[in-house]
Formats: sequence, C-alpha cells, structure tokens
Amino acid sequence: DQQVKQNSPSLSVQEGRISILNCDYTNSMFDYFLWYKKYPAEGPTFLISISSIKDKNEDGRFTVFLNKSAKHLSLHIVPSQPGDSAVYFCAASAGYQLIWGAGTKLIIKP
Amino acid sequence: EAGVTQFPSHSVIEKGQTVTLRCDPISGHDNLYWYRRVMGKEIKFLLHFVKESKQDESGMPNNRFLAERTGGTYSTLKVQPAELEDSGVYFCASSPSPYDETQYFGPGTRLLVL
Repeated sequence: DQQVKQNSPSLSVQEGRISILNCDYTNSMFDYFLWYKKYPAEGPTFLISISSIKDKNEDGRFTVFLNKSAKHLSLHIVPSQPGDSAVYFCAASAGYQLIWGAGTKLIIKP
Repeated sequence: EAGVTQFPSHSVIEKGQTVTLRCDPISGHDNLYWYRRVMGKEIKFLLHFVKESKQDESGMPNNRFLAERTGGTYSTLKVQPAELEDSGVYFCASSPSPYDETQYFGPGTRLLVL
C-alpha cells in the first residue's frame, strides 16, 4: 500500500514556464513533507520542505503548497530552467522515517 | 566538508553470491539510514542507526540482509545469499539528529543480481 503517490511518471515543460509537480498522500499522521531532486547516477538532494502547520513555503524559484484537507502537495518551479531537468521525489515524514513517492521525471525543453 | 560516500558504485553478482555495501556518513552525523529503490519505483526505507545501535530495522526485507555499524562510524549492508529481486539501487543517508528531517544522501550503489 503506497502512502505517498506521484501519479505522473514524467512531465515536459518549456524553458521559462512554470513546472508543477504533484504528490498525494494517504496518512494523516504525516507532519512534514519534503521534495528531493535527483540527477542520474547521484543520490537525492534536498530541495525544499514544508511543515504540516503551514500551507506554503517559498525558496527562490521553488514553492511548495500543502492542502491538508485534500492530502495533496505540489511543487512549483518558476521560471523553469534547463538545469531543473531531473527526477523529483516527494517524501513524507512521521518521525525519522521518510516515506517516498515513485518520482516524477521533469524535462525542461529549450 | 565531504558528503556521504558509498562503495562500490556498481556491483554485478550472480544469484547465491554475497555482496557487501559500504556507507561512510558525513562526519559527526550520528544517524545513518539505508534505503533501496527497485526498478524505478519508490525509494523504500530499510533501517536506521543511531550511532552503532539499530533504531529501526522494520524495512529490512528478510534475514538475508544484515546491516552493521561498528563503532558508530561507517556502515555495511551485506546481502547473503543474493536473489534476483535484490537488484536495485541502495542509498545511504545521514543526518545529525533524528529530528532533522533533511537527510543527506550518498550517490547509491547499483546492485544487479543475475
């Protein structure tokens, strides 16, 4: 039973436009959500996070939105740049254990 | 500051053989985690060390997997005997505190069991 779901395996976005990556979760006990970015042959690197007491967190071009009633979070990247092409993982935490989604491959087209 | 390192980067073995993966966490990080990603699916938690003690090994698939962290520094994950379904990428991560949700990941070890 997958508690964190990323339903889009891939997403293609024009350079300069907004990229929106989505994530759904089922466990209402999750209290912290993170987005990680992964390049080929590298481990995931932390990108941005949000606590369950907030509904938005912004860091430069990256904004994460949390809708607790819908158990949904999204990552917005504006404007999208070629270096943003990577696999993005959504992860949720209830304590120290991270529960991960399957990832969404983002492709930024020139 | 050196990041999390893992060795080897790749390993190809035959079913029934033994493989040992090594992880060196960031210096000073008491918390060390092992994860596995199989066939492009989600990354799954395997276990968590606090120093040399296993805090949570609920994600370990079966008793063919043995993790150790002698002295609370580097960790090893041994698979014996390896099965085909053990193929995947094994990631190690570390963090200074169990309450620090930001875990720092190594590049992973790609294991292929033939």
